[in-house]
Amino acid sequence: KAGVTQTPRYLIKTRGQQVTLSCSPISGHRSVSWYQQTPGQGLQFLFEYFSETQRNKGNFPGRFSGRQFSNSRSEMNVSTLELGDSALYLCASSLGSLTYEQYFGPGTRLTVT
Amino acid sequence: QQQVKQSPQSLIVQKGGISIINCAYENTAFDYFPWYQQFPGKGPALLIAIRPDVSEKKEGRFTISFNKSAKQFSLHIMDSQPGDSATYFCAAGADYKLSFGAGTTVTVRA
Repeated sequence: KAGVTQTPRYLIKTRGQQVTLSCSPISGHRSVSWYQQTPGQGLQFLFEYFSETQRNKGNFPGRFSGRQFSNSRSEMNVSTLELGDSALYLCASSLGSLTYEQYFGPGTRLTVT
Repeated sequence: QQQVKQSPQSLIVQKGGISIINCAYENTAFDYFPWYQQFPGKGPALLIAIRPDVSEKKEGRFTISFNKSAKQFSLHIMDSQPGDSATYFCAAGADYKLSFGAGTTVTVRA
């Protein structure tokens, strides 16, 4: 089975711009989670979607949003980028329901200048 | 506020030795405890996981020990190999989300 894929892999944006990141889960997985990884804060949960519904959201400002499509693919959007948004954004998929077995993609490295 | 505390921050072990990483949590709602391995430039890879009704789980050279009353769990890497050199994260799951520890960088010296 193909793993979790994320596009693009690398992105450079300027402060104030917005960005959209994409995630395709493992085939058959219906849950998609997003995490932000930085050297200072580590891995932090952004949000989780299952069957197009957000089931949980982390402690991030409203500039961070996401959605999930009927084919389970997901996108996250960050508006009005700040320097502190520079990070590795990781997507993870799981079967959903009660399982927490989350499988991560390679991430999108976002640099804000 | 870190919900899962992980130690040590880094460790160096000789080839063939045992690496031990410890994690502690407070939230009793956590019901799933995985460990992830991450290499530079890669996403975290699920290594092994345990539920709180089990005290120990072993998969190959990796063993999780879980102490529910102490709210602690640990990862033991037996017969450590240079290829095990990576960053290891513990995590705890509840409400469809994982809370991660800060990570431990393991270096295995040949």
